[in-house]
Amino acid sequence: DAGVIQSPRHEVTEMGQEVTLRCKPISGHDYLFWYRQTMMRGLELLIYFNNNVPIDDSGMPEDRFSAKMPNASFSNLKIQPSEPRDSAVYFCASSYGGELFFGEGSRLTVL
Amino acid sequence: SQQGEEDPQALSIQEGENATMNCSYKTSINNLQWYRQNSGRGLVHLILIRSNEREKHSGRLRVTLDTSKKSSSLLITASRAADTASYFCATPSTGANSKLTFGKGITLSVRP
Repeated sequence: DAGVIQSPRHEVTEMGQEVTLRCKPISGHDYLFWYRQTMMRGLELLIYFNNNVPIDDSGMPEDRFSAKMPNASFSNLKIQPSEPRDSAVYFCASSYGGELFFGEGSRLTVL
Repeated sequence: SQQGEEDPQALSIQEGENATMNCSYKTSINNLQWYRQNSGRGLVHLILIRSNEREKHSGRLRVTLDTSKKSSSLLITASRAADTASYFCATPSTGANSKLTFGKGITLSVRP
């Protein structure tokens, strides 16, 4: 298996623009997680899904953030409108209930 | 708030030495996991220890768990320059075993 695949790896955008981050989990995994990593706050869980259903989105910072999982092989995280404080590395991870398998992350810079 | 807190925040050792990293947590858990993150990369799972286990080994890694003290340690023996990375402990949330909360991590530098 190719592992968890995230795109884009790097995104630079201007404040106010919409950002879409994409994730393909490992086939057969039934959990999918979105984390955000910054120096100040470390790794924060934004939202996670089980069998494509959002289970806990309490970590989503505000309404500007949304995430969907339309099927078992794809999820996206959208930020609209983006702000400079959204700059971070966003990780997607998948699991079948035990250890997490992380993608390589999407580094977002909002100018 | 963070469930797991690692200690120290940074550690610098010479190649060949052992590295010991600690993690404390607040609430009861049924397992604790350690992950490694190389610079610019995603996290990689190292080892999982269950609450009914006290010690676990995997290659040069040794993990201990003391549920009475709510703490865990990760020992890397005979360290190598390639062990240079950040190390995180992660614990599941109460009632949501799949929801992992990570500490802020320990930066380990192994000098050749």
